[in-house]
Amino acid sequence: NAGVTQTPKFQVLKTGQSMTLQCAQDMNHNSMYWYRQDPGMGLRLIYYSASEGTTDKGEVPNGYNVSRLNKREFSLRLESAAPSQTSVYFCASSSHQLIEAFFGQGTRLTVV
Amino acid sequence: TQLLEQSPQFLSIQEGENLTVYCNSSSVFSSLQWYRQEPGEGPVLLVTVVTGGEVKKLKRLTFQFGDARKDSSLHITAAQPGDTGLYLCAGGAGNNRKLIWGLGTSLAVNP
Repeated sequence: NAGVTQTPKFQVLKTGQSMTLQCAQDMNHNSMYWYRQDPGMGLRLIYYSASEGTTDKGEVPNGYNVSRLNKREFSLRLESAAPSQTSVYFCASSSHQLIEAFFGQGTRLTVV
Repeated sequence: TQLLEQSPQFLSIQEGENLTVYCNSSSVFSSLQWYRQEPGEGPVLLVTVVTGGEVKKLKRLTFQFGDARKDSSLHITAAQPGDTGLYLCAGGAGNNRKLIWGLGTSLAVNP
C-alpha cells in the first residue's frame, strides 16, 4: 500500500523561482492537506481540501496556491519562492469521519 | 482560537524508565489523536480517542482522554530506544475537517 506519496523529496530553489509539490493518495480519502513544519513552530496548515472540488486557506496560505486535481491528487505551488518558505512540507489525507491524518514522507525545500 | 499545549517539550530518559506526556486545552474536542514522528519521516498515527474518560492501550503505551474531552495523556511503560521520536497530539472539533496540533514532545530514550 503506497498511502500518501509526495514528490520531490528534496528541492533547492533560488529566490523567485517557482515550483509545484505533488501529492497523491490511494486510500480514497475525501480530505487532503498541506502543512509546513518548522523548528519550534510545529505543524502549520497551509491549505486544505475538505472534499474534491473545494479548497480553503489554513493558517499560513500567503505565497502558496493549491489545486485539487481530482480525488487522489492535491498539489501545492510556490509562484515566487522566498527564503522564508524554506521548510519541510507534508501532504496528508484523511477519511470522512474522524479526520485521522495519514502523512506523506515530506519534501525538504531550501530557498536560497 | 483553539490551542493544544503539550508538556514537557523535551524529555530525555534512560531505557526502562516510565514517562507521561500531557496534552491540554481549554477547548472541547470531538476526538483526539496521538502521532509519533521519527526524523526524516512524516507523523504516523498511534491512536484516536473519542469518548470522555476513554483509555486505550497499545503494547507499552497507554492513552487517556479526559472526562471533559479537553485533555489527554500518553504514558509509556519501560521505555525503549525505539520509542525515541517526536510525539504529537491533535484534536478534531466541529465540521471544518481541520485538526488542531500541539507543538510536540521530543523524547529521547538512551540505552
